[in-house]
Amino acid sequence: QITLKESGPTLVKPTQTLTLTCTVSGFSLNTPGVGVGWVRQPPGKALEWLALIYWDDDERYSPSLKNRLTVTMDTSKNQVVLTMTNMDPVDTATYYCALTSRYCSGGTCYPTNWFDPWGQGTLVAVSS
Amino acid sequence: DIVMTQTPLSLSVTPGQSASISCKSSQSLLHSDGKTYFYWYLQKAGQPPQLLIYEVSKRFSGVPDRFSGSGSGTDFTLKVSRVEAEDVGIYFCMQSIQLPLTFGGGTKVEIK
Repeated sequence: QITLKESGPTLVKPTQTLTLTCTVSGFSLNTPGVGVGWVRQPPGKALEWLALIYWDDDERYSPSLKNRLTVTMDTSKNQVVLTMTNMDPVDTATYYCALTSRYCSGGTCYPTNWFDPWGQGTLVAVSS
Repeated sequence: DIVMTQTPLSLSVTPGQSASISCKSSQSLLHSDGKTYFYWYLQKAGQPPQLLIYEVSKRFSGVPDRFSGSGSGTDFTLKVSRVEAEDVGIYFCMQSIQLPLTFGGGTKVEIK
């Protein structure tokens, strides 16, 4: 059974940097084509995609947050880390990580597939 | 960005009846590889989204056959037949053909 679990602070102050870790169990991130995505959901609102990282360290970011996000993968620990700088109260949300995959052939990679499974999510509040 | 527009915002369904949710994308989700990168998720209260349908109409593992997806290009529909109490929650559509990945605003389904 594949499981993902997010961990990190539940409360950060405005202007601080948020660091979240996604630990994957039951599946190796060092598998061709595999990726991990980050999605957040403000209370009572819709889902927003943040970032993706694949097994080959290919990183992709939401253009609207690109300047504030960094995602890294540590295959030896089977973990993915998301950092978001300059946190603001509007960043208060539940942050999820989820497994995905994509097919690459001959130097061409196709779009990422669905997200599944997801972690349970971690609620991060931004407040002074 | 591809905008995903879901309707209705909410739905109240009598158990045993059916429910339909629409999702329209601002661009075609059909890729040159022949796949349509479109998905349906259900988010139950206090839980992460769970995948129901992938590539428009393929039911994910363990999803009851009461759930069916249809559509093509930019117009998609999720139908839940014989709605049960366990089907309540918020349904989201999602596209992955183009970054940024985008989600619909969600449709809240409740039982009458």
